[in-house]
Amino acid sequence: NAGVTQTPKFQVLKTGQSMTLQCAQDMNHEYMSWYRQDPGMGLRLIHYSVGAGITDQGEVPNGYNVSRSTTEDFPLRLLSAAPSQTSVYFCASSRELGGEQYFGPGTRLTVT
Amino acid sequence: GENVEQHPSTLSVQEGDSAVIKCTYSDSASNYFPWYKQELGKGPQLIIDIRSNVGEKKDQRIAVTLNKTAKHFSLHITETQPEDSAVYFCAARLDTGGFKTIFGAGTRLFVKA
Repeated sequence: NAGVTQTPKFQVLKTGQSMTLQCAQDMNHEYMSWYRQDPGMGLRLIHYSVGAGITDQGEVPNGYNVSRSTTEDFPLRLLSAAPSQTSVYFCASSRELGGEQYFGPGTRLTVT
Repeated sequence: GENVEQHPSTLSVQEGDSAVIKCTYSDSASNYFPWYKQELGKGPQLIIDIRSNVGEKKDQRIAVTLNKTAKHFSLHITETQPEDSAVYFCAARLDTGGFKTIFGAGTRLFVKA
């Protein structure tokens, strides 16, 4: 049972480039979410999903897209990277709405 | 909206001493308060939580207290060990609030051997 996995661990992008952060879980959890973590700030919710085919915006969704075609995978897309998107990104999943969240190890993204 | 303030931002203690981290929240409707531990290079992990129908909860060396009137909640770690060194986050939300969890900014705890 790998839990929540994220790839890549580190990524450097130039302004304007696009990329996809991958997230997968093998716990058959319906609920998945993406957070960003910035110095001196708590985790902030970007997007979340309550099941395959259903996604919604969180607190800071601008500049990011998500899709949920399967229960296992929840990729986060940056369409045109900006320096303000330099951050550490965490994916999380939970069995129940409002239940314990299991976090992946994170992706550290730098946009120059 | 909900706001969670966490203090201190950094805390250094000697091994064996106690550590206390404090949080305040703004939305009196919040009724679920989890605490997460984040070790270097890893994602946050839930270590203890408390709901507003209790004032204190304990799990071995870790305890959490809640003062609903003052909108304060605190994490207490006794007999600290070097492996307790990590970043700790408090959070608050409505128990039925789903994803609407608001996190504090984190406390970096150093336990000196």
